[in-house]
Amino acid sequence: EAGVTQSPRYAVLQEGQAVSFWCDPISGHDTLYWYQQPRDQGPQLLVYFRDEAVIDNSQLPSDRFSAVRPKGTNSTLKIQSAKQGDTATYLCASSQTGTEDTQYFGPGTRLLVL
Amino acid sequence: GDSVTQTEGLVTVTEGLPVKLNCTYQTTYLTIAFFWYVQYLNEAPQVLLRSSTDNKRTEHQGFHATLHKSSSSFHLQKSSAQLSDSALYYCALSESYAQGLTFGLGTRVSVFP
Repeated sequence: EAGVTQSPRYAVLQEGQAVSFWCDPISGHDTLYWYQQPRDQGPQLLVYFRDEAVIDNSQLPSDRFSAVRPKGTNSTLKIQSAKQGDTATYLCASSQTGTEDTQYFGPGTRLLVL
Repeated sequence: GDSVTQTEGLVTVTEGLPVKLNCTYQTTYLTIAFFWYVQYLNEAPQVLLRSSTDNKRTEHQGFHATLHKSSSSFHLQKSSAQLSDSALYYCALSESYAQGLTFGLGTRVSVFP
């Protein structure tokens, strides 16, 4: 069974540029999460979806960050006008409701904002 | 909100000796699941252990942990550390099924020959 896949694996931007991250969850998983992991810190939840619906986006900096999951499968996280403080690894995870709630993580996208 | 505390940033241990990583938590909700994740260099976090039952020992790959709600703890232990155990270890909790995880800051384990 394929795991969670993410692309790109790396991104380098200048401040003010936009970037999008893409995530393909494990097949059949209805819940998808985006986490931000700054260097030397644990992952911090940004937003999560159940199917196509946003369940919690309270930690998403809404003025510059947006996330969608239009068909309840793949998801895109976008940063408009990136800042140096956005430098981090962005992790996507998925889980299946109704069974164990274990989240399985993708390899992440490492973002460097210069 | 919830919080997870891992008191050691770095643990160094000699191969073959026991290792223990501390994890305590605070929550105002009926938290139902606790996890240990391991993250190898340049890889994604992988689930190592999961528990939702008070006072029940959970084991996997030589590691074990017991959830103690009376002391709000979920410490991770291994009786004999291996070189391949060198990694970052995160303790995490989930308030409910299929909700976001709250992670601790992580403990880096370095195992030396």
